[in-house]
Amino acid sequence: EAGVTQFPSHSVIEKGQTVTLRCDPISGHDNLYWYRRVMGKEIKFLLHFVKESKQDESGMPNNRFLAERTGGTYSTLKVQPAELEDSGVYFCASSQDWGNPGYGYTFGSGTRLTVV
Amino acid sequence: KQEVTQIPAALSVPEGENLVLNCSFTDSAIYNLQWFRQDPGKGLTSLLLIQSSQREQTSGRLNASLDKSSGRSTLYIAASQPGDSATYLCAVRGLTGGGNKLTFGTGTQLKVEL
Repeated sequence: EAGVTQFPSHSVIEKGQTVTLRCDPISGHDNLYWYRRVMGKEIKFLLHFVKESKQDESGMPNNRFLAERTGGTYSTLKVQPAELEDSGVYFCASSQDWGNPGYGYTFGSGTRLTVV
Repeated sequence: KQEVTQIPAALSVPEGENLVLNCSFTDSAIYNLQWFRQDPGKGLTSLLLIQSSQREQTSGRLNASLDKSSGRSTLYIAASQPGDSATYLCAVRGLTGGGNKLTFGTGTQLKVEL
């Protein structure tokens, strides 16, 4: 099966611009997650979708970040306007069954975002 | 709030050595614990997942153990090879706060030398 796909793999934008990241989860996975790793820190949770609904967005840093998952398939994460501190690697993950402890997460390769 | 710590932060060993990576977590109310590997510039590859009811899992040269009551997990790598060089991440999925998020450690950067 195809894995979790993210694009672009790299993005360099100027402060104040807008960037949209995309994630295609594994087909059939209702659960989709966004995480990010900023320089020198651990990977941290941003939000969780179950199908098209936001189950938990407690990790979103501020209202410059907007995530959507129209139709419950792929998801986008938009940063508008981007700030320097948004630089980092943004990971997407999907899982088959949220309630089952036997199921783990499958991560994509990440999008490395650099804001200059 | 769950906190995950990994020791050591970096490790360099000669090829063939057996090694142990450590992970500790502060809240024992967990669904499971997952070990990942990350190669430079790449994504996270899942290595092993241990459910909260399990004590260990094995895959090839890798063995992961879980002691939930003491908040510890170890990843044992047997007969290390240069291809094992990568950053190893431990992530805990907690029961609290919705039970839907992973809390990661900062990782152990492993280098296996010829």
